[in-house]
Amino acid sequence: GNSVTQMEGPVTLSEEAFLTINCTYTATGYPSLFWYVQYPGEGLQLLLKATKADDKGSNKGFEATYRKETTSFHLEKGSVQVSDSAVYFCAVANAGGTSYGKLTFGQGTILTVHP
Amino acid sequence: DTAVSQTPKYLVTQMGNDKSIKCEQNLGHDTMYWYKQDSKKFLKIMFSYNNKELIINETVPNRFSPKSPDKAHLNLHINSLELGDSAVYFCASSPESQTDTQYFGPGTRLTVL
Repeated sequence: GNSVTQMEGPVTLSEEAFLTINCTYTATGYPSLFWYVQYPGEGLQLLLKATKADDKGSNKGFEATYRKETTSFHLEKGSVQVSDSAVYFCAVANAGGTSYGKLTFGQGTILTVHP
Repeated sequence: DTAVSQTPKYLVTQMGNDKSIKCEQNLGHDTMYWYKQDSKKFLKIMFSYNNKELIINETVPNRFSPKSPDKAHLNLHINSLELGDSAVYFCASSPESQTDTQYFGPGTRLTVL
């Protein structure tokens, strides 16, 4: 089955620092890749996604590029804000087969940004 | 307008009880899911329904029984609750495409005493 490995947290940064959260995956075929974010006390929401190799997903200043050769989808942001404090999940989903719509998540990375 | 709603938000109950969590989506999606998030934030899919038909059934104890009366609702009934069932349960939905975005509900925090 699919699997996702994320950089272990927690990650603590000062405001305006550069953020990288590493994510690597194993999957068959041509999976789609996602980053979801969970703010305190809330459900998950999609942050960005990429559906094919070399695609770059971006949203709210966050970016991630689908690297098939390294099976990676690292999340980056040039200047984090206090409001970015949340748990970030990398996820992979397969098209086709019996894993219909199944998202496999990484373990989550807790990010805390201090003023 | 709430896209995916769950009730209740919090549920505290004794071991051995039976409880249900309800989920409704008003997005017109065909597929709905239940996920369990443990105390370390790890998320794992439990079930998936497409147009009221069970599609994914992970290795979940048969004390857990999903029910989908229509494609806008997916409820989760849990029999004989155990301490290890304590977690946050998330409902989600997505359009028919297998690689589409999933939209999550706010979660139900279940505490079994």
